[in-house]
Amino acid sequence: EPEVTQTPSHQVTQMGQEVILRCVPISNHLYFYWYRQILGQKVEFLVSFYNNEISEKSEIFDDQFSVERPDGSNFTLKIRSTKLEDSAMYFCASSPSSGRGTGELFFGEGSRLTVL
Amino acid sequence: EDQVTQSPEALRLQEGESSSLNCSYTVSGLRGLFWYRQDPGKGPEFLFTLYSAGEEKEKERLKATLTKKESFLHITAPKPEDSATYLCAVQALSQGNLIFGKGTKLSVKP
Repeated sequence: EPEVTQTPSHQVTQMGQEVILRCVPISNHLYFYWYRQILGQKVEFLVSFYNNEISEKSEIFDDQFSVERPDGSNFTLKIRSTKLEDSAMYFCASSPSSGRGTGELFFGEGSRLTVL
Repeated sequence: EDQVTQSPEALRLQEGESSSLNCSYTVSGLRGLFWYRQDPGKGPEFLFTLYSAGEEKEKERLKATLTKKESFLHITAPKPEDSATYLCAVQALSQGNLIFGKGTKLSVKP
């Protein structure tokens, strides 16, 4: 069964360092997302990506964050200068559908980011 | 402001003991309401989509229902493998992103 894969599964970094989280969405999916979940809190939307550009982003997704689809398979989230409050589980998700189907997301297992 | 509130935060059941989880929502025009299951340390797994009041969806021991203000996830004769956190999310007509609730952590004891 096709799945969304994320690497690394866990990354520990020092405050101020750059981090890149990688995702391989399901191959025939067209819509890509990053969500995050701080320990014990809600899953929060960061950004959606379609047709090689950002289609929507939340207030969390400030200038420190960027996304890229460098080739036909990978989808990356970069945090330029990490802060303590960026510590969270970051989930990549993809969807094949537009319109009504875009809430039916396939999530990866997540990348846990710990900022010290 | 669009928001989702789930109750209870945690629910402990004996195997076979049926119950319901609640999801109350406020949204400026509902495109869809979604239920996900999340196991510890894993990403959410899609269960159901509901689009309009009165709609129901079923899958094995789970049944999701929707009204204009809330959704219920009914669990009939649960088994220990149903133990997980169940997340409710809404999608507004004006946006594509999902707004999640905090979830209900369900524990089913044998």
